[in-house]
Amino acid sequence: EVRLVESGGGLVQPGGSLRLSCAASGFTFSTYVMGWVRQAPGKGLEWLSTISSSGGSTFYADSVKGRFTISRDNSKSTLYLQMNSLRADDTAVYFCAGNPGYTNYESFEIWGQGTMVTVSS
Amino acid sequence: DVVMTQSPLSLPVTLGQPASISCRSSQSLVSSDGNTYLNWFQQRPGQSPRRLIYKVSNRDSGVPDRFSGSGSGTDFTLKISRVEAEDVGVYYCMQGTHWPLTFGGGTKVEI
Repeated sequence: EVRLVESGGGLVQPGGSLRLSCAASGFTFSTYVMGWVRQAPGKGLEWLSTISSSGGSTFYADSVKGRFTISRDNSKSTLYLQMNSLRADDTAVYFCAGNPGYTNYESFEIWGQGTMVTVSS
Repeated sequence: DVVMTQSPLSLPVTLGQPASISCRSSQSLVSSDGNTYLNWFQQRPGQSPRRLIYKVSNRDSGVPDRFSGSGSGTDFTLKISRVEAEDVGVYYCMQGTHWPLTFGGGTKVEI
């Protein structure tokens, strides 16, 4: 069974940091483009970042560029999102998502269940 | 950035009847490779998004054939031929042709 399981969410103060993880199973992780998408409470979906299957190419939304860093460890089948300088408007459910193909950046076929990040003092 | 505009925002439907959602992009979604990277996602209440359609009209595995996608250039449509109770949720279009990837604002389908 194809699975993506996010972890690492929680409550953090403004200006703080958090690292999200996404553990993949049931497919060959190293052949998938991976990304992060978030959803603020009661709002729509917002793409944040994408990484190529090898990890050599990364892409970011302007809203998180310079603050968030996407990375992956193919030996551990795990995707990461390092989030620094967090702000109240970063409060959201963060979804990990993936698409088969080494550079197939255009879509997300599989999704995790999400992890909640709350930025508040 | 490419702006994706969905309509309507809310779509009251009747079981067994057809339904249609529109998605318009602020610029053409035809890629330099000739493909059009327009996706549709369904998000049922309390669940993660699920991809239904990719490249305008290709249904994902396991997606009922009552769902269909069509369109070209900047104008796209998701159709449900006969709405069932399990179709309740929010539907999003997403373009994958241009960076940054962008989603439409969503259409809430309710009985």
